[in-house]
Amino acid sequence: AQSVAQPEDQVNVAEGNPLTVKCTYSVSGNPYLFWYVQYPNRGLQFLLKYITGDNLVKGSYGFEAEFNKSQTSFHLKKPSALVSDSALYFCAVRDDTNAGKSTFGDGTTLTVKP
Amino acid sequence: EAGVAQSPRYKIIEKRQSVAFWCNPISGHATLYWYQQILGQGPKLLIQFQNNGVVDDSQLPKDRFSAERLKGVDSTLKIQPAKLEDSAVYLCASSNRVQETQYFGPGTRLLVL
Repeated sequence: AQSVAQPEDQVNVAEGNPLTVKCTYSVSGNPYLFWYVQYPNRGLQFLLKYITGDNLVKGSYGFEAEFNKSQTSFHLKKPSALVSDSALYFCAVRDDTNAGKSTFGDGTTLTVKP
Repeated sequence: EAGVAQSPRYKIIEKRQSVAFWCNPISGHATLYWYQQILGQGPKLLIQFQNNGVVDDSQLPKDRFSAERLKGVDSTLKIQPAKLEDSAVYLCASSNRVQETQYFGPGTRLLVL
């Protein structure tokens, strides 16, 4: 069975500092990996995805993520955090052999302090 | 391009009552998903449609939950009878193809008393 782990419930960073939100996954086949962000009382918004190709993926709002097959990780990063980045972040994985069923992590709350 | 629409946004019911949620996906999106998001957890897939056929409903509690997708466009999710543990946000999402990005609606927040 496929699974996603986000080991940190909460990440706190100061504005202007780099941020990392961690994600590891387990799938049977080739992974499709996604990051979504959720603001209060809003649905999930797509940030970026890895399907194939370059291991470093760039997405919306200056975020990027690095796919590491050997470590089965897909950590979300941003070089310089903004207060407005404070939100709940979800990592999700799909297995290309599982009819596209998505499994989400339990989320990481990012708080960026001025 | 209009996003995924859901209604109602909020619903409060008593246990053992029934409730229905509606979703209108992005125009042209063949794949539609219903998720349940319990507070403090990530979304859990309940059912996935490809056009009007069910692709996956392995996590749908079929004794009380049902879903349909009429003519491969709109979808409704029904709970009958509701239990306290059904209190959650119900998210609808759609994608152009199974492999593509899912776009989410704002969700319906259900409270069962």
